[in-house]
Amino acid sequence: LAKTTQPISMDSYEGQEVNITCSHNNIATNDYITWYQQFPSQGPRFIIQGYKTKVTNEVASLFIPADRKSSTLSLPRVSLSDTAVYYCLVGPETGANNLFFGTGTRLTVIP
Amino acid sequence: DTEVTQTPKHLVMGMTNKKSLKCEQHMGHRAMYWYKQKAKKPPELMFVYSYEKLSINESVPSRFSPECPNSSLLNLHLHALQPEDSALYLCASSQGTAYQETQYFGPGTRLLVL
Repeated sequence: LAKTTQPISMDSYEGQEVNITCSHNNIATNDYITWYQQFPSQGPRFIIQGYKTKVTNEVASLFIPADRKSSTLSLPRVSLSDTAVYYCLVGPETGANNLFFGTGTRLTVIP
Repeated sequence: DTEVTQTPKHLVMGMTNKKSLKCEQHMGHRAMYWYKQKAKKPPELMFVYSYEKLSINESVPSRFSPECPNSSLLNLHLHALQPEDSALYLCASSQGTAYQETQYFGPGTRLLVL
C-alpha cells in the first residue's frame, strides 16, 4: 500500500486558488489517486480521481506528473464553504481492503 | 438518489448495553462498508460486505458485529463496548469493491460509550 504524505493544514483567502500536494513516492503501477473532502460531522465526499496527467471536473483539477510520485489537488477560487479536511488516497484497482485514509489536510478559508 | 442514510444520528450507551446502528442505500450498490473515525483522525475501515457477504474484517473486536440482511441494508450490532469505542461510525457504499469506484458515505452515527 502506497503511503501518502500531505501538509497537515493550509490557510487561504476567499477567491484564491488552492493547491494541495500529496506525496506518494512508492506508488505502484496499477494505483489510482483519489481525493475525498470531509466537512465536520459528515462523511467524506468523493472529489476527483486520476491515474496520470490531468483530470478536471466541475469542482477541482488533479495534476499528476509523469513519475506519479506526487499529485496536486487544485481548487479554483475557494469560498468559505470549502473549509474542510481533504484526503489523498492511493491504491490498487482491486482490493477494497486497501482503502486507507491518510492524515489529510485541514484547509481553512479565510474571509 | 445518491444518498446513504444512517440511524440514529447520535447514540449514548453504557458498557453493558446492546444497541445497533443502521445504514441504508437504494443506489443498487453491491458493496457496503463500516468505518470508525475518532476526533481529528482519518476514517478507519472496519468491515466490507460484497454481495451481502462479509469480505473484509479489519481485525475488529468481537463486541462489534456486522450484519447485512439484504443488499440495501447494513447493521452494526454493538455489545459490551468500552469508552474508547466512542467515535463517529460511518457507513459507505459503492457499486463494487474495485478500488477506483467512488464510495458514497452517510452522515455517520456519533456514539458515546459511558
